Amino acid sequence: DVKVTQSSRYLVKRTGEKVFLECVQDMDHENMFWYRQDPGLGLRLIYFSYDVKMKEKGDIPEGYSVSREKKERFSLILESASTNQTSMYLCASSSRTALLEKLFFGSGTQLSVL
Amino acid sequence: RKEVEQDPGPFNVPEGATVAFNCTYSNSASQSFFWYRQDCRKEPKLLMSVYSSGNEDGRFTAQLNRASQYISLLIRDSKLSDSATYLCVVNEWAAGNKLTFGGGTRVLVKP
Repeated sequence: DVKVTQSSRYLVKRTGEKVFLECVQDMDHENMFWYRQDPGLGLRLIYFSYDVKMKEKGDIPEGYSVSREKKERFSLILESASTNQTSMYLCASSSRTALLEKLFFGSGTQLSVL
Repeated sequence: RKEVEQDPGPFNVPEGATVAFNCTYSNSASQSFFWYRQDCRKEPKLLMSVYSSGNEDGRFTAQLNRASQYISLLIRDSKLSDSATYLCVVNEWAAGNKLTFGGGTRVLVKP
């Protein structure tokens, strides 16, 4: 089974802190994604990557950056955390050779910014 | 208007009953459609794809109505374990395989 692992299940940070969310997948997937999930708004795409060192903006990239130095790892960075970035963050991966739509998600990181 | 809209529910369903709910999408260029299931405090998982001709997977039936721009999910003989949030997902190939998620429909199956 594909395993997508997110480094933390819960995080509490203060406004202005730099925050790193790490995601690792073990199935050699080319595609990796970062979403945030808020009640009533569904999952919204922040950034995605189709290859190492490659990144593309999603629908809501403002306030975030990403890094993909290795194929298995995709990091989400909040340069200066703000209270409106309190959310559930979900990382996902998929294989380029398979249907893109079959996303495998990590278990999520609930981030609270105080 | 949201690109993909769902009734948030909750749909309270007696065990053994049938429940159905829809998802509407605004972009007529949308080309593929999916239902994901998300349990409380868990990650989403693919439930089924939605084909033009409609498709079944056990007790679950998905339908697509392109003319009215909606997809539906029907659950027959509901089980307690069907309690979850069901997320509608729409893919626009022309937009570079952009997946858009609905806000989810919550289903609660009760004994």
